[in-house]
Amino acid sequence: KAGVTQTPRYLIKTRGQQVTLSCSPISGHRSVSWYQQTPGQGLQFLFEYFSETQRNKGNFPGRFSGRQFSNSRSEMNVSTLELGDSALYLCASSGDFPYQETQYFGPGTRLLVL
Amino acid sequence: GNSVTQMEGPVTLSEEAFLTINCTYTATGYPSLFWYVQYPGEGLQLLLKATKADDKGSNKGFEATYRKETTSFHLEKGSVQVSDSAVYFCALEHSGGYNKLIFGAGTRLAVHP
Repeated sequence: KAGVTQTPRYLIKTRGQQVTLSCSPISGHRSVSWYQQTPGQGLQFLFEYFSETQRNKGNFPGRFSGRQFSNSRSEMNVSTLELGDSALYLCASSGDFPYQETQYFGPGTRLLVL
Repeated sequence: GNSVTQMEGPVTLSEEAFLTINCTYTATGYPSLFWYVQYPGEGLQLLLKATKADDKGSNKGFEATYRKETTSFHLEKGSVQVSDSAVYFCALEHSGGYNKLIFGAGTRLAVHP
């Protein structure tokens, strides 16, 4: 099976812009989670979608949003970018059980905000 | 709340040395525990996992045992290789947590020939 794919891999934006990142899960996986990785804060959970419904959300401002499509592909959007949003954004997919399934990560999208 | 504490790095070892990376957790109930590895410029790869007390996860020579009495999940390998150089993350997922992983800060391992 193909792994989790994320596009684009690298992105440069300026403050105030918005950005959309895409994640395609492993075939058959219906859960997609998003994480932000920064040197200062480490790996932090953003949100999780299962069958097009957001089931869980981390402690991020409303500028961070996401959605999931009927084919389980997911997008996350960050509006009004700030310098501190520069990070590696990782998505992970897992199987049908609602919890304690292994999550498989994509390679990430590295976002640089100037 | 739930949290994971890892030993600070970097850990520097010579090839064939024994590796231990300590990980302790705080959680209610019975979380699942994971070790993920991140190579430079890449995402996270699952190394091993354990879902209940006394379970031992193992993969590629790495092992970790879920110790509920000490709330620990220490990573060990008997003989490290240069190719094991990476950052290692301990993580937990609380039951009913809807795939929300809580990660430790990560431990960088550098193995020299």
